[in-house]
Amino acid sequence: DTAVSQTPKYLVTQMGNDKSIKCEQNLGHDTMYWYKQDSKKFLKIMFSYNNKELIINETVPNRFSPKSPDKAHLNLHINSLELGDSAVYFCASTKGIAGVETQYFGPGTRLLVL
Amino acid sequence: RKEVEQDPGPFNVPEGATVAFNCTYSNSASQSFFWYRQDCRKEPKLLMSVYSSGNEDGRFTAQLNRASQYISLLIRDSKLSDSATYLCVVSPFSGGYNKLIFGAGTRLAVHP
Repeated sequence: DTAVSQTPKYLVTQMGNDKSIKCEQNLGHDTMYWYKQDSKKFLKIMFSYNNKELIINETVPNRFSPKSPDKAHLNLHINSLELGDSAVYFCASTKGIAGVETQYFGPGTRLLVL
Repeated sequence: RKEVEQDPGPFNVPEGATVAFNCTYSNSASQSFFWYRQDCRKEPKLLMSVYSSGNEDGRFTAQLNRASQYISLLIRDSKLSDSATYLCVVSPFSGGYNKLIFGAGTRLAVHP
């Protein structure tokens, strides 16, 4: 009965590889997000989708491409992985798009690029 | 200047102590304010929203001072289970979209 789930939980890969992280929420929410938490613990928003439409696209390299096949799923594909991509990636969801809404986070995907 | 600034700590306190965390934000147009809690190697979870009138939830009290762009969190009678990182979170107005700006967090360690 996990509300927001992510796969995989851990990802160790070589520089230059392409990898994907998947996120699913069963809360019936309309909006989903990807965040990156770096080694200094700053949590920064990368993307947000509302009903499959991209609504927030922060300054993120083009190597990162989100895809939302339906409003319950938001995937993140990363091309040509670099050392600096090593971080924890959190997916989150909210019912709507208003700033007062509680964000529900997934457990995170720990990515290590060697 | 960072958009949301917090004292990183760590704050090491004994059980039963009262501890206060502070946070400042740079965008005066910010609309909503929160404290999230993040346990080690876990995801952030909402602790409480912060209202202009101040609000309390059990041992936790949050205050907002819009004029000074300052948010605080007070924890009374600290428990071992309060050990975590506390994230100050601000939602600026951004075309109506829910874009949260997180501080780097203040680490709290409660010891017996």
